[in-house]
Amino acid sequence: GESVGLHLPTLSVQEGDNSIINCAYSNSASDYFIWYKQESGKGPQFIIDIRSNMDKRQGQRVTVLLNKTVKHLSLQIAATQPGDSAVYFCAETNTGTASKLTFGTGTRLQVTL
Amino acid sequence: EPEVTQTPSHQVTQMGQEVILHCVPISNHLYFYWYRQILGQKVEFLVSFYNNEISEKSEIFDDQFSVERPDGSNFTLKIRSTKLEDSAMYFCASRGTYSTDTQYFGPGTRLTVL
Repeated sequence: GESVGLHLPTLSVQEGDNSIINCAYSNSASDYFIWYKQESGKGPQFIIDIRSNMDKRQGQRVTVLLNKTVKHLSLQIAATQPGDSAVYFCAETNTGTASKLTFGTGTRLQVTL
Repeated sequence: EPEVTQTPSHQVTQMGQEVILHCVPISNHLYFYWYRQILGQKVEFLVSFYNNEISEKSEIFDDQFSVERPDGSNFTLKIRSTKLEDSAMYFCASRGTYSTDTQYFGPGTRLTVL
């Protein structure tokens, strides 16, 4: 499940700091959004989701913000830990379809000690 | 915790050969998907499958691709005549009844076409 690439945006944060990963989505008809984490050699792992009738949703140490006006999604990770190091993808879908996911390009999060 | 499994983890094949990638979705899930990820690129949708038929497919999923649910547990992706550009990670995913149910992904099969 590698997502290594010269063109992959990278965010480097110190352990304990908060991380903010951004994503621009493309389809105005999308009404459901998901953040996935992908560690090396693994498949995408669900982190948190949000429906279009919400603008904020919180989980354990993670918060997703949705701004439909500018088609922007963000993932905030509080107190980032070394285990958070991975590639993070946003995905969008329209729940009126078979819910195929359209993924963003991904951001590599590097947590430094 | 139930999980999606995929075999093999790595498949090497010669160009023009047929390959079949195997997936065992989560047992009570009804919707099944294949995605692929070319190295360095984002994950791309290939096909969705429900009630024993394809519900949606992408432009990538041409006549060389097919999917099958041969029994109650397996879900396969077949590529009839592989091309170099088919080299990628292939992920299987499944979800439950509702459109907002989480899609759970398997660990992937790395396909290398020589």
